[in-house]
Amino acid sequence: GEDVEQSLFLSVREGDSSVINCTYTDSSSTYLYWYKQEPGAGLQLLTYIFSNMDMKQDQRLTVLLNKKDKHLSLRIADTQTGDSAIYFCAEWEAGNNRKLIWGLGTSLAVNP
Amino acid sequence: DAGVTQSPTHLIKTRGQQVTLRCSPISGHKSVSWYQQVLGQGPQFIFQYYEKEERGRGNFPDRFSARQFPNYSSELNVNALLLGDSALYLCASSLLGTAGNTIYFGEGSWLTVV
Repeated sequence: GEDVEQSLFLSVREGDSSVINCTYTDSSSTYLYWYKQEPGAGLQLLTYIFSNMDMKQDQRLTVLLNKKDKHLSLRIADTQTGDSAIYFCAEWEAGNNRKLIWGLGTSLAVNP
Repeated sequence: DAGVTQSPTHLIKTRGQQVTLRCSPISGHKSVSWYQQVLGQGPQFIFQYYEKEERGRGNFPDRFSARQFPNYSSELNVNALLLGDSALYLCASSLLGTAGNTIYFGEGSWLTVV
């Protein structure tokens, strides 16, 4: 079945890099997404990667995909206090139901 | 350009009542999806609509229904509300609703059932 797993908490110091990890089970997933959710807010699209790519970089964000191990990571360089939020990994399921399947989210705390 | 807009932002209903939530997608986007996010969880898929037709339905009871209008806006209806329906309801907008589309979310509608 479909499942997306993430570690629940991550704490880093301001200025350090953050790495948020995600594993997924659906080998037919074509696109994998990262979203950010601040308290009381909706979901902000950060980036997404196609499954035939190994890496995608966008300013401070780097996404790494290991398709063999079904492992996805999001690296945030020079983490700032404004990066404190919950980060969700989601995979696109393109079967009968065209939908995103989500992890539980990783709560990132950035300490000054 | 406006992003995905949802209304109302917050509402309180009592058990047994009915609620209608509204969503306007990004201009030019033809697909709208609805997700339910319970506190502390990831979103769960409810419906996807494209060109006014239902293209996907999640594992939710028949109390949940939706529709999409000719202008691509959408409504989510929930009948006979239960306490467990309390959640953030998120609307997602994408161009075609298929793989590879960027998917944008609104700020959500917070529903509290008492």
